[in-house]
Order: sequence, then C-alpha cells, then structure tokens
Amino acid sequence: DAGITQSPRHKVTETGTPVTLRCHQTENHRYMYWYRQDPGHGLRLIHYSYGVKDTDKGEVSDGYSVSRSKTEDFLLTLESATSSQTSVYFCAISQTGVDTGELFFGEGSRLTVL
Amino acid sequence: AQSVTQLGSHVSVSEGALVLLRCNYSSSVPPYLFWYVQYPNQGLQLLLKYTSAATLVKGINGFEAEFKKSETSFHLTKPSAHMSDAAEYFCAVSAGTGNQFYFGTGTSLTVIP
Repeated sequence: DAGITQSPRHKVTETGTPVTLRCHQTENHRYMYWYRQDPGHGLRLIHYSYGVKDTDKGEVSDGYSVSRSKTEDFLLTLESATSSQTSVYFCAISQTGVDTGELFFGEGSRLTVL
Repeated sequence: AQSVTQLGSHVSVSEGALVLLRCNYSSSVPPYLFWYVQYPNQGLQLLLKYTSAATLVKGINGFEAEFKKSETSFHLTKPSAHMSDAAEYFCAVSAGTGNQFYFGTGTSLTVIP
C-alpha cells in the first residue's frame, strides 16, 4: 500500500471557521492531488501539486487553497467553511516516471460543516 | 478534452451471476483507462488499468475489462459475483502522468445472496 496518511479523518466544524486538512506521503512522489467525493458527482479535483510550491487549480477550487512546502506534505485549507463544503476529501499521489500516472489514494477525511 | 460516463448508478446481481459495469469514455488522445473500487469508509483502490499493451486487461479479485476503441468503451466484468464484491466502482480516464484524471460518477454494486 502507498504510504499516504490523511488527518484528521473526521471533523465537525461550524460555518465560517477555518479548516485545514493534511496529506502526508512517504513515497517521495512528485504529484499530489486533493479531491472531494459527493453522491452523484463521483470525484472532483480541487487542487493539485506538481512539485514543492507548484500548485494549480482543479475544477472545483473556489473556497479552497493549498500549500506544499515539502515534498511529503500537501495541505488543503478552507478559509471560511460553508455547508456546501461538507464532503469526503481524498488525497492522492501519482508516481513520477510512470506513463500511466495512476493515482494512489488516502483513506479520506470526512468533513461536516454545520 | 476527456470525460467518462458510467451507465447505471446502481447495479444488483445475484451471488454467482455475471457482473457487468459499463464505462464509456471520450478522449482526444490515446487514453489510459482505469477501474477503481471503493469499499465502505475506505479510499479508492486500483482494480485494473489499460495501457495499450493489450485490449483485454485482467485485474485483482477476478475482474477484467476490455478496451474497445470502436465503441469507446471499457466495461468491467466478472464471471461470478461474490458477496465481497459489493462496493462502489469508478471508471477513470487520463492522458498520462501529470495530466488530470477524469472520473465517472460511480456505480454501486449490490450482490444478493
């Protein structure tokens, strides 16, 4: 199994509060991704990173920011959480040098915004 | 541009029956295609992948998928369903390393005893 750890695994927060989710990898992979999973929508890309301090937006990036100061850590921040951001968030990594770019996923972080 | 369509958000089969989960893709470049499985409260696990080496791809747990370019399809099959196959299945397409993955909306498989 790919060494991907997400924290926290579960969080309940109130509207308007900041939230940071952490993804930590031990594989030294270049690419890291944050997805959210919602019923009927599958997985949607929020942000991704192709190296330290190199990040870009995905299809649902509004209301989210990311940072990657080290290869192993990719942080997802909700500056002011809203109820529409209640979701399960998955971090994924992609191996450098593999043509297919297949993704390996963490166990997910379930966020509830009241 | 790339996209994936999974037909049927819910599929039910009897234990021992054939499993068929449908996936059609759209891609402007030769695609890499994937099937992932998600068990309850877990992350996604790679089931199998198509990399152009062979059109019939075998994966874990007895699953296989056939790439049909003329039909732009990559359907997932298993000859005999087992109770442990109950899960959510996602089809995905990518243009390769560093390119975005596009996921289908998922198919929930129920296996009836």
